[in-house]
Amino acid sequence: SQQGEEDPQALSIQEGENATMNCSYKTSINNLQWYRQNSGRGLVHLILIRSNEREKHSGRLRVTLDTSKKSSSLLITASRAADTASYFCATGLGGTYKYIFGTGTRLKVLA
Amino acid sequence: EADIYQTPRYLVIGTGKKITLECSQTMGHDKMYWYQQDPGMELHLIHYSYGVNSTEKGDLSSESTVSRIRTEHFPLTLESARPSHTSQYLCASSEKAGGPNTGELFFGEGSRLTVL
Repeated sequence: SQQGEEDPQALSIQEGENATMNCSYKTSINNLQWYRQNSGRGLVHLILIRSNEREKHSGRLRVTLDTSKKSSSLLITASRAADTASYFCATGLGGTYKYIFGTGTRLKVLA
Repeated sequence: EADIYQTPRYLVIGTGKKITLECSQTMGHDKMYWYQQDPGMELHLIHYSYGVNSTEKGDLSSESTVSRIRTEHFPLTLESARPSHTSQYLCASSEKAGGPNTGELFFGEGSRLTVL
């Protein structure tokens, strides 16, 4: 089964609101990454948080990691219509260079 | 802008045909990956490579095969395509020997395969 489960599966918000999506995983990890995918395109890296970090910021993005709960969250503040996309978490498995992706959250930001 | 390229972007073929999806990167990355993704769904790792002459199967069983004869090239081949192979195939790369390495995966735009 997949390493990562994300919730919600789909999220619809108004422009200007914050969007929060969560990712849970099962095994020990080196790092956790978040990616964005526009419809029909490849994935684009957003942010990486290492297993010894608890929180990281990048522009309007804030990522938290709780290794005791095996979970992470991605917060997008002041969302824009252009943020409409699918967002995936990916876990780098301990001792390997394998990256396993979660089920994704489909975000729709209404103008 | 990621320097990783996939061809073809779109392919429609009949059952039983042999196809090769090409993936090339110009970043000198050691690690390369193939993921399979149905529309709107999660990504499944089907093959990966840690370097030249190194290939491993991923977590999702796949009838495809890969080769890594050159660092920059990681083609995926289906010997006899079936409708069940209809999907999007995403190639990615990461990690250059000698660094600097961020752990980031760089993705191509994908190859969307339809088998009739």
